[in-house]
Amino acid sequence: RKEVEQDPGPFNVPEGATVAFNCTYSNSASQSFFWYRQDCRKEPKLLMSVYSSGNEDGRFTAQLNRASQYISLLIRDSKLSDSATYLCVVNGYGGSQGNLIFGKGTKLSVKP
Amino acid sequence: NAGVTQTPKFQVLKTGQSMTLQCAQDMNHEYMSWYRQDPGMGLRLIHYSVGAGITDQGEVPNGYNVSRSTTEDFPLRLLSAAPSQTSVYFCASSSLDRYYEQYFGPGTRLTVT
Repeated sequence: RKEVEQDPGPFNVPEGATVAFNCTYSNSASQSFFWYRQDCRKEPKLLMSVYSSGNEDGRFTAQLNRASQYISLLIRDSKLSDSATYLCVVNGYGGSQGNLIFGKGTKLSVKP
Repeated sequence: NAGVTQTPKFQVLKTGQSMTLQCAQDMNHEYMSWYRQDPGMGLRLIHYSVGAGITDQGEVPNGYNVSRSTTEDFPLRLLSAAPSQTSVYFCASSSLDRYYEQYFGPGTRLTVT
């Protein structure tokens, strides 16, 4: 089983739609969880952290379910500029907490 | 403030050649790392460093060497390039107390023929 698994998509949605991405992780000892965003042929950038209580940043909501080892990202009122690949990320590889484990990403395409 | 810079942006090598990918950051970050990104594979950690003089292996270290003589620089050396090393290479840095907020460089697209 892969350490971090995501549905690769693509998710093709119209502007204004609500879309949700899911991610599962295999290591129950993982402590920290994040979503990164990667635009086509660009570097990844941190989108938001994921907390056990859930957290919201504008149109974006992230949730964590430790019992199911499941992370989600909800995007409301999708914009064209949201088109990107969303990477689910977990920390804890090897000897440094800075070693992040990346999922393969879920591609989102928002259409006019 | 340039952030994380990488050179070159593109490189073509022949099998067996060696080269060094350069990475520099101007944010005084302690943590630096190298990832490779292949289609369908996601980002995989090659080597990392938590400070000058300290380096360690990540998930896929074979065929690569690193050194960290200064806080700013973290070069990645390909010892004898192989077609399997064709990939996009990203360097990243972060502070140790905000390790999750990693700043990535723009990447180096490497092709080995």
